[in-house]
Amino acid sequence: TAGITQAPTSQILAAGRSMTLRCTQDMRHNAMYWYRQDLGLGLRLIHYSNTAGTTGKGEVPDGYSVSRANTDDFPLTLASAVPSQTSVYFCASSDDGGGGDNEQFFGPGTRLTVL
Amino acid sequence: GQNIDQPTEMTATEGAIVQINCTYQTSGFNGLFWYQQHAGEAPTFLSYNVLDGLEEKGRFSSFLSRSKGYSYLLLKELQMKDSASYLCAVRDGDYKLSFGAGTTVTVRA
Repeated sequence: TAGITQAPTSQILAAGRSMTLRCTQDMRHNAMYWYRQDLGLGLRLIHYSNTAGTTGKGEVPDGYSVSRANTDDFPLTLASAVPSQTSVYFCASSDDGGGGDNEQFFGPGTRLTVL
Repeated sequence: GQNIDQPTEMTATEGAIVQINCTYQTSGFNGLFWYQQHAGEAPTFLSYNVLDGLEEKGRFSSFLSRSKGYSYLLLKELQMKDSASYLCAVRDGDYKLSFGAGTTVTVRA
């Protein structure tokens, strides 16, 4: 079982360009999340989806958009990248919206540099 | 929102015990998680507490006091492979996780 996969592993992007970070899970989890991790700040929630067809904003949603067309995929799009979006991006998923002791499982991350 | 505080760094000797404290202020509480994250890797789940008290899982234990907004992660019989960042995360009333900045533990021989 692959769990959660993310692509690309790393990317250097020119400011003003758009990019989509891909995330796929094979655990049939209904909830999925996007975080960014910056030194000294920890993981911060960008967007989430409790089930296919629905999405919500997290703590730092500006400049990012998501879609959830099906259970398995949860892409994150940067419409016009800026240097402050340089970060490591983690996708995560959990069962039943994360209730009970259902932990979130994390993908390997995408390291994005915006120049 | 959540305000979660944990120490930035801790150093301990192989075979010793280390306790990582986490304090939080929440607008809703539905459990506290501890994750381990090795450098350059994804966070992995360690423990979960929702009721007051101690949860033990092998060499790792986690404690919660909801009235004090306090948790700790106890790592016993430290091994070199335990060198990592340890993330405290609080789940709010909407079942969203807020993370502390993480505590980097360095285990020395």
